[in-house]
Amino acid sequence: AQSVTQPDIHITVSEGASLELRCNYSYGATPYLFWYVQSPGQGLQLLLKYFSGDTLVQGIKGFEAEFKRSQSSFNLRKPSVHWSDAAEYFCAVHGGGYNKLIFGAGTRLAVHP
Amino acid sequence: DAGITQSPRHKVTETGTPVTLRCHQTENHRYMYWYRQDPGHGLRLIHYSYGVKDTDKGEVSDGYSVSRSKTEDFLLTLESATSSQTSVYFCAISESRGGIPGLANTGELFFGEGSRLTVL
Repeated sequence: AQSVTQPDIHITVSEGASLELRCNYSYGATPYLFWYVQSPGQGLQLLLKYFSGDTLVQGIKGFEAEFKRSQSSFNLRKPSVHWSDAAEYFCAVHGGGYNKLIFGAGTRLAVHP
Repeated sequence: DAGITQSPRHKVTETGTPVTLRCHQTENHRYMYWYRQDPGHGLRLIHYSYGVKDTDKGEVSDGYSVSRSKTEDFLLTLESATSSQTSVYFCAISESRGGIPGLANTGELFFGEGSRLTVL
């Protein structure tokens, strides 16, 4: 069965520092992978997605993610974090038909000034 | 923003009472979903719908039922609420792409703002 692991529950970075959020997935075939962000009290917003092709995908708000099949990973990165990036981030894998998504437990990002 | 409205946004109820959450969309999307969000678990799929009157169970469906009598509305019912169903519930919508519903389409999910349910 498909599954997603986000090893880091909480991460704190300083504003302007680089960021990498880890995501590992378990899937038998070529996965469709997603990163979503959730600001406090809000729903989830899609940051980026990987379907095929170039393994480095660009998303909104300056985020990017790299798909590494050999490591079953899809890590999210940002070169310079802004205070407004403080949120919870969810990695997800396509769970079969009807666009069902399987989500990881999330990583909560705090940004220090 | 996708036109998704969840109601109520907040509800407090007592154990054993029935509760219905409503999700209304104005996007005419084919697929609709109910997820629950709990700390340490991320989002878990309760039920989903792939068309009017077509629904199926997700990974945490026990104690929940759904109905979809119109494209725009997807109702989640807790038949007899329990404290373990205290959670934040999210509705999401998606559309099939490639013209073939049901296959591993790659459409993204759009989420509502959530409904916080507390069962005392």
